[in-house]
Amino acid sequence: DIVMTQTPLSSPVTLGQPASIYCRSSQSPIYRDGNTYLSWLHQRPGQPPRLLIYQVSKRFSGVPDRFSGSGAGTDFTLKISRVEAEDVGVYYCMQATQLYTFGQGTKLEIK
Amino acid sequence: EVQLVESGGDLVEPGGSLRLSCGASGFPFNYAWMSWVRQGPGKGLEWVGRIKSKPDGEITDYPAVVKGRFTISRDDSKSTVYLEMSSLNTEDTAIYYCTADVADETSSLDYWGQGTLVTVSS
Repeated sequence: DIVMTQTPLSSPVTLGQPASIYCRSSQSPIYRDGNTYLSWLHQRPGQPPRLLIYQVSKRFSGVPDRFSGSGAGTDFTLKISRVEAEDVGVYYCMQATQLYTFGQGTKLEIK
Repeated sequence: EVQLVESGGDLVEPGGSLRLSCGASGFPFNYAWMSWVRQGPGKGLEWVGRIKSKPDGEITDYPAVVKGRFTISRDDSKSTVYLEMSSLNTEDTAIYYCTADVADETSSLDYWGQGTLVTVSS
């Protein structure tokens, strides 16, 4: 199984400032078709998760452009360019190359 | 608008069984790969199974933690996916989310339902 490890587990940020969340996979999530099926999801308190980023860096429909994803190999990053109040919650990375596994989650909170 | 509506969550005793349902609308269900993901109280996300579309063979996959106890099926005529759970134990207590991989491009869990609560307790 591919194990996903996120850091930090908690991230206090100031409104309007950037924030970054990191995800490391135990093995590269590159599929045999050459694509890397690494996604980021966001779960607001009391809500189901929603997809933000797929294939490392592609924003899903309706996702604001302040969210961006990057990375390669086994190291990936989600960046929020300017944090807004609605961005609080827990962020998960997920690989979908070998079935599905999630990171532990990173809680984003406002200072 | 994509909608996924789960139902069937309940309080069940250890060793018991339960069937969850998920009704879908707003996308071509018969081409979607459907998964169930659960979240224990105060915990993270755990994938518990997937069923591919009929054109892709309706193949099912499960993680080791539920294999042999959980079964996913689908009825494309009703745009519904099911999760049959048996030999339930307290560690199966969770919100169970139905998810849909709709877009070929993403190969991810594109859409999520609101979830249904399963509590395993005596």
